[in-house]
Amino acid sequence: QVQLQESGPGLVKPSETLSLTCTVSGASISSYYWSWIRQPPGKGLELIGNIYYSGSTNYNPSLKSRVTISLDTSKNQFSLRLSSVTAADTAVYYCARYGSGYDIWGQGTMVTVSS
Amino acid sequence: DIQMTQSPSSLSASVGDRVTITCRASQSIGTYLNWYHQKPGKAPKLLIYAASSLQRGVPSTFSGGGSGTDFTLTISSLQPEDFATYYCQQSHTMPATFGQGTRLEIK
Repeated sequence: QVQLQESGPGLVKPSETLSLTCTVSGASISSYYWSWIRQPPGKGLELIGNIYYSGSTNYNPSLKSRVTISLDTSKNQFSLRLSSVTAADTAVYYCARYGSGYDIWGQGTMVTVSS
Repeated sequence: DIQMTQSPSSLSASVGDRVTITCRASQSIGTYLNWYHQKPGKAPKLLIYAASSLQRGVPSTFSGGGSGTDFTLTISSLQPEDFATYYCQQSHTMPATFGQGTRLEIK
């Protein structure tokens, strides 16, 4: 059974960098697209970006200047870095696998941007 | 970005009812359309992919249809566990975008 688990700080200061890791268990990360999606409190879902197992990435243009997604195949993990955060980046952050649709999701981790 | 618009935004229904949610894309997306539902405090769950294909393990009371710009999700007989928020999502063009959600509540 494939499982995804997000980890990282739940509180980040404004202007700093948000860093999260998603650990994949039950399957190799060396296939599929792997994604980060976020959901501000009480709002809808926004794709942050994807990474393919080859390492190629694509990002939401609205966040592209601040986002880096990377892959560590030795640890079966992929990571998100979002720089220069503001209160508008406060959200639940999900990692997910894209097969036919986002078919497997992590449980999500709440990240609050506040001083 | 391709805009996805769902209707209605909210819906009240009873157990056993048949309900349909619609999703409209701002441009043609073929059948690159997926449906999810999300319960409070939980991650979304994939129900339908490629507009009409039922994800493994999802009850056959769920069905999807449409192509181009107009899509539907139908639940043929509502069960208590179906009360949730439903989202459509297009995967035709990056960035993938989601509808704003349809909240399905118990009448």
